[in-house]
Amino acid sequence: AQTVTQSQPEMSVQEAETVTLSCTYDTSENNYYLFWYKQPPSRQMILVIRQEAYKQQNATENRFSVNFQKAAKSFSLKISDSQLGDTAMYFCAFVPGGYGGATNKLIFGTGTLLAVQP
Amino acid sequence: SAVISQKPSRDICQRGTSLTIQCQVDSQVTMMFWYRQQPGQSLTLIATANQGSEATYESGFVIDKFPISRPNLTFSTLTVSNMSPEDSSIYLCSGGGRNTEAFFGQGTRLTVV
Repeated sequence: AQTVTQSQPEMSVQEAETVTLSCTYDTSENNYYLFWYKQPPSRQMILVIRQEAYKQQNATENRFSVNFQKAAKSFSLKISDSQLGDTAMYFCAFVPGGYGGATNKLIFGTGTLLAVQP
Repeated sequence: SAVISQKPSRDICQRGTSLTIQCQVDSQVTMMFWYRQQPGQSLTLIATANQGSEATYESGFVIDKFPISRPNLTFSTLTVSNMSPEDSSIYLCSGGGRNTEAFFGQGTRLTVV
């Protein structure tokens, strides 16, 4: 079975500091995509960053970057210069197989609740 | 990316009744999905809404409890039938195309009393 594991239910970080959220996954697929979604109290799911499994280079989006370790099946999210607006639940998600976009079903981890403290 | 408008944003319902949740996309999308997020939990896929045909349900979810419609490529509904307190959850719809990431509606927070 394909699973996504987030071992940190809650984390806290001071404003302007850096925090890393962990994610591991289990799959026998060679081609897949990984995502980090953010869910603030508004409940809106917002895509933060995505990583293609066939790319060795780690994805970056402004203050957000990932550390993708394919052999270890690890996909951590680093948030630099944390801001109060980063306070949210963060979900790691996995799409198996070749990229089919939203036509493929997302498999979500259990989430990490991040609190950015002023 | 496209925008999904989901209604209602929240509701409090009596047990035994049904609630229909609507999602309207501002452009045509190939796929639409319905998820349930129980309190403090992750998202679990309920079903894939297929345009013009019956939805495809995941294990543990049945059509009698969660009937889904998708009359066209921009609209879908999920009905939560014969509700009990255990159905209290956030329900989210998502959509997208073959080469796009999934985008989500704002969610419906359902409380069954």
